[in-house]
Amino acid sequence: ETGVTQTPRHLVMGMTNKKSLKCEQHLGHNAMYWYKQSAKKPLELMFVYNFKEQTENNSVPSRFSPECPNSSHLFLHLHTLQPEDSALYLCASSQEYSKVTYEQYFGPGTRLTVT
Amino acid sequence: AQSVTQLDSQVPVFEEAPVELRCNYSSSVSVYLFWYVQYPNQGLQLLLKYLSGSTLVESINGFEAEFNKSQTSFHLRKPSVHISDTAEYFCAVSEYNFNKFYFGSGTKLNVKP
Repeated sequence: ETGVTQTPRHLVMGMTNKKSLKCEQHLGHNAMYWYKQSAKKPLELMFVYNFKEQTENNSVPSRFSPECPNSSHLFLHLHTLQPEDSALYLCASSQEYSKVTYEQYFGPGTRLTVT
Repeated sequence: AQSVTQLDSQVPVFEEAPVELRCNYSSSVSVYLFWYVQYPNQGLQLLLKYLSGSTLVESINGFEAEFNKSQTSFHLRKPSVHISDTAEYFCAVSEYNFNKFYFGSGTKLNVKP
């Protein structure tokens, strides 16, 4: 595997379910990101981890819980979601979260549908 | 916080025609500017970026963008598009020293034969 991978690619869950999204990067990067992409809206940055430490949380509801056990893996744990949380969730990585010259590499995303 | 405006949500164009995708941003501080492209069922890929120096930047597949500070714009252009350019294009802005991006809502470019 190369680049940034995300699993599952598609997920349908009820509002009372608990599920997790997984992201893995094979690029040796130290920063990882979760974004939410909704139709006709700008990408929303949710969380940033730099060297496994959370450095950004953009007022994301607590029903979204990130976890970064090491620099290569990032999880997004989901529980008691709402229908408006249905979106494409993108993971990205970059060499480091300190200099903007570091390009972000994106995974293909997980299409989440909350019923 | 920054905001990025992409006025056109969809741009239909015929193959080999020129195209311009517009991007404006709000900023009172110095920023870096980017264009990302998202092909169907894929993640975003960096197309080109402006960090400093020449205000005209180019990509390897014929796109170019020009940074206009006075108009706070970073429009993307290509003189002759191909069917394979069909994708969604995102403009992004970042503040100095942090890898935090503010994205526009995207422009879907649909190239017709």
